[in-house]
Amino acid sequence: GPKVLQIPSHQIIDMGQMVTLNCDPVSNHLYFYWYKQILGQQMEFLVNFYNGKVMEKSKLFKDQFSVERPDGSYFTLKIQPTALEDSAVYFCASSLKDCQDTQYFGPGTRLLVL
Amino acid sequence: DAKTTQPDSMESTEGETVHLPCSHATISGNEYIYWYRQVPLQGPEYVTHGLQQNTTNSMAFLAIASDRKSSTLILTHVSLRDAAVYHCILLTSSSFSKLVFGQGTSLSVVP
Repeated sequence: GPKVLQIPSHQIIDMGQMVTLNCDPVSNHLYFYWYKQILGQQMEFLVNFYNGKVMEKSKLFKDQFSVERPDGSYFTLKIQPTALEDSAVYFCASSLKDCQDTQYFGPGTRLLVL
Repeated sequence: DAKTTQPDSMESTEGETVHLPCSHATISGNEYIYWYRQVPLQGPEYVTHGLQQNTTNSMAFLAIASDRKSSTLILTHVSLRDAAVYHCILLTSSSFSKLVFGQGTSLSVVP
């Protein structure tokens, strides 16, 4: 199926630092998503993004989080500053249309905040 | 968000057919039924989806009850690669849909 890429696959940083997670969505997709999964727990929705704007975000999407997709390049999730509880696997997804369209996921970025 | 109920775990043997049930008693008429699966350390993989009619693709057959209150994902000739957590998710008709993952059914496949 369609491929979503995520860079890096792993990231270790010190608490308080900034981190940027990169997502290369399916080439013709227009809608982008971030999900968070803590080890051993359910995956949870963070945010979705379309046409340069955040359309919906969950309670997990703290003020320290931001997303953007400058000039059609990577779709990014930035955390500044990071906290210990941000340690998780972050999955990016994309879809061609919005409601009720199939979302395709990347392999995830494993973030460890020390 | 509309909820689904799935068994926590199931086991199958290689080569068999496995039926993964999902209950969604409060499903709305315009909600699609999506199935994803996830193996450890990987992103969720789309399996199939449907609205009212049964659907089939190279991965699975989705049987949807006539009242739409339940569905069953049917995997034929399962292999060890099919071992994963299978999620049954209802996708609402609102714009900018988000997937709400539950615990899913952990399918183990033995040789």
